[in-house]
Amino acid sequence: TQLLEQSPQFLSIQEGENLTVYCNSSSVFSSLQWYRQEPGEGPVLLVTVVTGGEVKKLKRLTFQFGDARKDSSLHITAAQPGDTGLYLCAGGGADSGYALNFGKGTSLLVTP
Amino acid sequence: NAGVTQTPKFRILKIGQSMTLQCAQDMNHNYMYWYRQDPGMGLKLIYYSVGAGITDKGEVPNGYNVSRSTTEDFPLRLELAAPSQTSVYFCASRPGTEASPLHFGNGTRLTVT
Repeated sequence: TQLLEQSPQFLSIQEGENLTVYCNSSSVFSSLQWYRQEPGEGPVLLVTVVTGGEVKKLKRLTFQFGDARKDSSLHITAAQPGDTGLYLCAGGGADSGYALNFGKGTSLLVTP
Repeated sequence: NAGVTQTPKFRILKIGQSMTLQCAQDMNHNYMYWYRQDPGMGLKLIYYSVGAGITDKGEVPNGYNVSRSTTEDFPLRLELAAPSQTSVYFCASRPGTEASPLHFGNGTRLTVT
């Protein structure tokens, strides 16, 4: 199993602050995905990064894939209460029917 | 668009009882998965299927069984429920290409007492 370590595990910030969530592994991934999960629902895909060094932006969210394709980060600018949720990074390969291995997640709370 | 549908949403079982968690998808995806999610532990793969008639074990298969008789349905069976199986169970599917998104159902919250 390719392990993915996420940090921090919990983050509580005020509206308007910036934050970064990290996802690290000793394994090389051909792609990494970030998901967001709200209470009572399944995770929903935010982004897929496939190229080392790649940067993708989704409104106030910026995702980066490390040059060696072993790590990724999610940066949120000017966080809003609607950003509250569990953020999960995931990666995998052709093993196990293209199943994804997930990090333990970062639980983000943004208060007004 | 229904996507991935899981039933039931909630269930309480007594130790030793059995039940089947239902999962159906209407996207014609070949690849389907069962994960369990425990607080602070992320998602762990229980079983997966790469197509009708083909299933295999994931990381934590003990105490569970699956079947895949059609492309659409992928039920998860719990035999002799134990407290350690208290968890939230998610079914997911994807088209099968490596960078394709995983589509999740909304989960079944199971409590075994």
